[in-house]
Formats: sequence, structure tokens, C-alpha cells
Amino acid sequence: QQPVQSPQAVILREGEDAVINCSSSKALYSVHWYRQKHGEAPVFLMILLKGGEQKGHEKISASFNEKKQQSSLYLTASQLSYSGTYFCGTERETDSWGKLQFGAGTQVVVTP
Amino acid sequence: DGGITQSPKYLFRKEGQNVTLSCEQNLNHDAMYWYRQDPGQGLRLIYYSQIVNDFQKGDIAEGYSVSREKKESFPLTVTSAQKNPTAFYLCASSLDKFTGELFFGEGSRLTVL
Repeated sequence: QQPVQSPQAVILREGEDAVINCSSSKALYSVHWYRQKHGEAPVFLMILLKGGEQKGHEKISASFNEKKQQSSLYLTASQLSYSGTYFCGTERETDSWGKLQFGAGTQVVVTP
Repeated sequence: DGGITQSPKYLFRKEGQNVTLSCEQNLNHDAMYWYRQDPGQGLRLIYYSQIVNDFQKGDIAEGYSVSREKKESFPLTVTSAQKNPTAFYLCASSLDKFTGELFFGEGSRLTVL
């Protein structure tokens, strides 16, 4: 079962902030975040492991709430280059290693 | 340069024909994956392989087959049993059995006429 992402889409003005959520009904071992620009392959942003670790990548950061099995991706002071579709990928504790399932994606559009 | 190469980039086939998509990596990665991407559905896992000569079904394996005879190669065959094969297919790899970054190929777009 794929993780659930919200919102489906968000439109921002340059400099604004946004939060993308990713949740699972099963206990997770890890959460991955990727960004895909139109016509290109997804590009890795960060991994968060079980333990509530928070990570950052430039002005993009993420958290993992183990109790809620939920991860949030924070886009801070958005730039035009942040536009794209963001996917979370999850590994469940009960699955065999390497089974990474992705959500449906959140389309982010940053306007000038 | 190291990376993942998928071929062909675009492929057209008639209904009922089997099609094989190539995926080669020179990153020396143990794990390889095949995902299918449809509009609004994100990436869905077809098959994955943690090591040579071993692979597991993902969430939508029906109508697909794979092999992993060499570490560098993980070809995907879309068989005539796949009811709706028209899609964008992405191959990826990761270093080893510990959680790691996925490196994606550029994708193959299959259109069945």
C-alpha cells in the first residue's frame, strides 16, 4: 500500500513557505524524499530513518514522526528552482529490505 | 561517468507483443528497481532485486517479468498479459542492503498501439 501524500498540489510565490505531508498506516523504517522536474528523472533530496531524525538540504528540510508514521517536507523561502513534483518513498518495517513504495506526489509551482 | 542507462527512450509496440526494456548501471550497486509512472499515481513498484540471481515482486508485478543474471543489468519484459502497458518506466539502483539513495535512469516511455 502506497503512502499518502498531501496536498496534491500547491502554488507558491517566490519566498513563501510550504509543507508537504506523507503518511503511512504501517510502521516505517525510513522515509525518502525526491523531486522530479518535468521530463526528468526523480532526484534524491534526503532520507530520514526511524528515530525522528530531522534533516535538511539547503532550505528544504524534513522531519519524521515515528509515533504518527508521518513525515513532513518543509520548503522554506521557496525559490523558482523548487518547482517540480515531490515524492515521498517509504520502507515499512514489516517488508523485506529494499521495498521502497512511493506516494502519488505533490506538484509544487513557484511563481515570481 | 557512472550512472544508469535505460533504453530505448521511446518504444512503440502493437498490442499482444512482448517488449523488453533495458536497464544497465555501472555504479556497482547491489540493488535495482523497476517503477511504473502514470499521471496522478506516482511511482509504483513493479519488481526489485537486492542481489544477483534474486528478485522480488513489487505491488504491480502482474504482466511483467525480470531477470538479474548480472549485477549491472536488470531488464524488464512487458508481456502481452499486461492489460494496460502504456506508461513511463523508470529503473533505479541503490548501493546495498542498508537504506540508501536511489539513482534513477532517464526512463523509457512505452506506447502500445
